Amino acid sequence: GAVVSQHPSRVICKSGTSVKIECRSLDFQATTMFWYRQFPKKSLMLMATSNEGSKATYEQGVEKDKFLINHASLTLSTLTVTSAHPEDSSFYICSARGGRTGASRTSTDTQYFGPGTRLTVL
Amino acid sequence: GDSVTQMEGPVTLSEEAFLTINCTYTATGYPSLFWYVQYPGEGLQLLLKATKADDKGSNKGFEATYRKETTSFHLEKGSVQVSDSAVYFCALFLRVFGNEKLTFGTGTRLTIIP
Repeated sequence: GAVVSQHPSRVICKSGTSVKIECRSLDFQATTMFWYRQFPKKSLMLMATSNEGSKATYEQGVEKDKFLINHASLTLSTLTVTSAHPEDSSFYICSARGGRTGASRTSTDTQYFGPGTRLTVL
Repeated sequence: GDSVTQMEGPVTLSEEAFLTINCTYTATGYPSLFWYVQYPGEGLQLLLKATKADDKGSNKGFEATYRKETTSFHLEKGSVQVSDSAVYFCALFLRVFGNEKLTFGTGTRLTIIP
């Protein structure tokens, strides 16, 4: 139980284009989802926290107009990297925290992570 | 602010060796503590957790005890296997006035050689 999926797993795009990454909780309802960025051989950096039906809360230094987050349902959040540039190339990871029990029981303080999306901007 | 300090890697051990990865934390409240593992090319997986002082988390032969007096959550395994090769992240979770955050350490890369 407590499975989180991400799509796509890898994406290559040209500079200036926008890329959308989806994060889904497959067997539980996620009231809160998180988006992280991981640099090579570094730890995860929290970018933003999103609650279903409300605006995302961005960490200091993260441009909210560049990284658009939508949490439209209890099982889906999307991150759109707008006008991507080579410096946006990174590994983006989402996580979901269960606030309600669904098909599987989840702890309300445990985040379950997706497998990540490798973005390469040429 | 809240922070997690992990033993710097990389760590290389022979199969069946004893493993310790140190983790200490600084937090303003009473956090939950986690160890996550990241296998090559994959996302993070929850390895174990402890939610209060003196709790011991355990999974797949790994253990860690929440030590409030030393603000530590060291990861141990008695006999490592090649399949344990991965990056291990220590993390703390706090929820304050509705704001929640999982703060990670820098990760420790573990390589087990046959």
